[in-house]
Amino acid sequence: GQNIDQPTEMTATEGAIVQINCTYQTSGFNGLFWYQQHAGEAPTFLSYNVLDGLEEKGRFSSFLSRSKGYSYLLLKELQMKDSASYLCAVRGNSGGYQKVTFGTGTKLQVIP
Amino acid sequence: EAGVTQFPSHSVIEKGQTVTLRCDPISGHDNLYWYRRVMGKEIKFLLHFVKESKQDESGMPNNRFLAERTGGTYSTLKVQPAELEDSGVYFCASSQVWNSPLHFGNGTRLTVT
Repeated sequence: GQNIDQPTEMTATEGAIVQINCTYQTSGFNGLFWYQQHAGEAPTFLSYNVLDGLEEKGRFSSFLSRSKGYSYLLLKELQMKDSASYLCAVRGNSGGYQKVTFGTGTKLQVIP
Repeated sequence: EAGVTQFPSHSVIEKGQTVTLRCDPISGHDNLYWYRRVMGKEIKFLLHFVKESKQDESGMPNNRFLAERTGGTYSTLKVQPAELEDSGVYFCASSQVWNSPLHFGNGTRLTVT
């Protein structure tokens, strides 16, 4: 099976930088995703890492270390609209099939 | 490009009734997934279609749930008869190929009373 851990909640100040960590255990690893979800809305795709290293996309960056089963999402120049849940998801083998499994999400609150 | 659309956005039904949820994936996306989020828990996989075929239905809770994707376009998820524990948000997602990112719809919030 797959196991994904991320902090439940985080608080950060507007304009600051925040790092949201995710650790995972899986077999047949085939990529890690980060999604943003505002309350009552669809999860929105942010980033995808399949190889080790840092992927940068504007204010958001995502890092992956496959050997450590570890990823983080880095948000720079935080804005109030960044308050949302951030979901770490891993594609790997579960029950004999490749599937994308989600963590419980990290609820980020950005304060002035 | 239109995103993944789901209907209805909300549904309130009584225990024992039947509900059918619909999902229209992004045009051209062969892969369609159903997920469910129960209050306070993570988004959990239900099943995966490739075109009209069920690739993986290992996440379906029991035989009260029936998913179809006739013609390989839109999909329906029927719950019959509904139980209280079926309440939650049902998300549909699609992807162009099996290893590309999933694009989600806004979900259907199902409340069984």
